[in-house]
Amino acid sequence: EDQVTQSPEALRLQEGESSSLNCSYTVSGLRGLFWYRQDPGKGPEFLFTLYSAGEEKEKERLKATLTKKESFLHITAPKPEDSATYLCAVQAPSGSRLTFGEGTQLTVNP
Amino acid sequence: ETGVTQSPTHLIKTRGQQVTLRCSSQSGHNTVSWYQQALGQGPQFIFQYYREEENGRGNFPPRFSGLQFPNYSSELNVNALELDDSALYLCASSFGTVSGNTIYFGEGSWLTVV
Repeated sequence: EDQVTQSPEALRLQEGESSSLNCSYTVSGLRGLFWYRQDPGKGPEFLFTLYSAGEEKEKERLKATLTKKESFLHITAPKPEDSATYLCAVQAPSGSRLTFGEGTQLTVNP
Repeated sequence: ETGVTQSPTHLIKTRGQQVTLRCSSQSGHNTVSWYQQALGQGPQFIFQYYREEENGRGNFPPRFSGLQFPNYSSELNVNALELDDSALYLCASSFGTVSGNTIYFGEGSWLTVV
């Protein structure tokens, strides 16, 4: 059974204080690892898909990396508007079902 | 803006009632999946529809059912509502069932069962 564990559960940063979120996964044949951002009361907003170990993708202050067992979402010089819950999900080998972690709730204080 | 639209945005139902939630997929997308997200948790896969056929189901009882129409829009039906069914119901659309295709979510339908 596919499993995804995210840590920490919650993270508070000062504006400009860089940090990383972790996503550990267990899956039989990773087809894709997804990162989403979710604001309160909203649906998940797509950020990245990573497909193979060693792959990296960037978008503004966010950079996602992937190894064979985990993925990191690095946030460089965060701003208050980066405050949200960040969700990680793995894609099953068959079909396009996603298995999500519980998320990391990020708060960036000005 | 993902182009995935869901309705209604909020609704309140009484235990034992039935509910229908609707989703219009992004233009060009023929695959729709439904997820349930309880407060403070990650989304849980309910089922997926591809070309009007169910194509995979998560660990949800048969009272959760769905449909996909020729225009690829979809409905989620839940019968005999229970208090634990209170959650955000998310629709996600993609093109095909090939792993790795980008999957976009709608804003969700908030269901409260009292």
